[in-house]
Amino acid sequence: DTAVSQTPKYLVTQMGNDKSIKCEQNLGHDTMYWYKQDSKKFLKIMFSYNNKELIINETVPNRFSPKSPDKAHLNLHINSLELGDSAVYFCASSQVGGTEAFFGQGTRLTVV
Amino acid sequence: AQTVTQSQPEMSVQEAETVTLSCTYDTSESDYYLFWYKQPPSRQMILVIRQEAYKQQNATENRFSVNFQKAAKSFSLKISDSQLGDAAMYFCAYRKGLSNSGYALNFGKGTSLLVTP
Repeated sequence: DTAVSQTPKYLVTQMGNDKSIKCEQNLGHDTMYWYKQDSKKFLKIMFSYNNKELIINETVPNRFSPKSPDKAHLNLHINSLELGDSAVYFCASSQVGGTEAFFGQGTRLTVV
Repeated sequence: AQTVTQSQPEMSVQEAETVTLSCTYDTSESDYYLFWYKQPPSRQMILVIRQEAYKQQNATENRFSVNFQKAAKSFSLKISDSQLGDAAMYFCAYRKGLSNSGYALNFGKGTSLLVTP
């Protein structure tokens, strides 16, 4: 069983569209994250949720909106997609009192 | 803000040899964690090793070990007996705090490791 799973793995879409990426973890963790990896492989935090409450909201365009229906799920919705949004998006989770984060397999988003 | 610096964009090692990847970080915190993550071409982020700042002993996981120099804010990764499967991008990461899991990882820019037969 995959601990942190994201869908879809690949997403190709046109500029201006709205798309969502789903993430689920079955580890019972309290905290979930979205990271963005750009074309130069640099990883940067976007959002963090703890027990469905937004903890971290880095400088991200408000076209990006995370939604956490329960503590096992953290979805990422992106409105009005732009070419610069093309990247790999990683979901991750960790436990209160824990240390490392566990990552999903990433979603490669390509905006054309 | 905490910054993590990996000064080696690319490294190369021969199979069975040893290689060391460098990482330095900047922080004013006293309690934090340091990690090395591996990202092979499959894109999956895999934890290689972690180090708690309050522990003086360097962490070791099989062929992987770290040299943690807290005063110098240095955290290098040594890979012994390198294998072809070690070829990947390696990221050094920092996370502040002891128990608050809301803290996110700050990553370095990565070092691409090539392993030659």
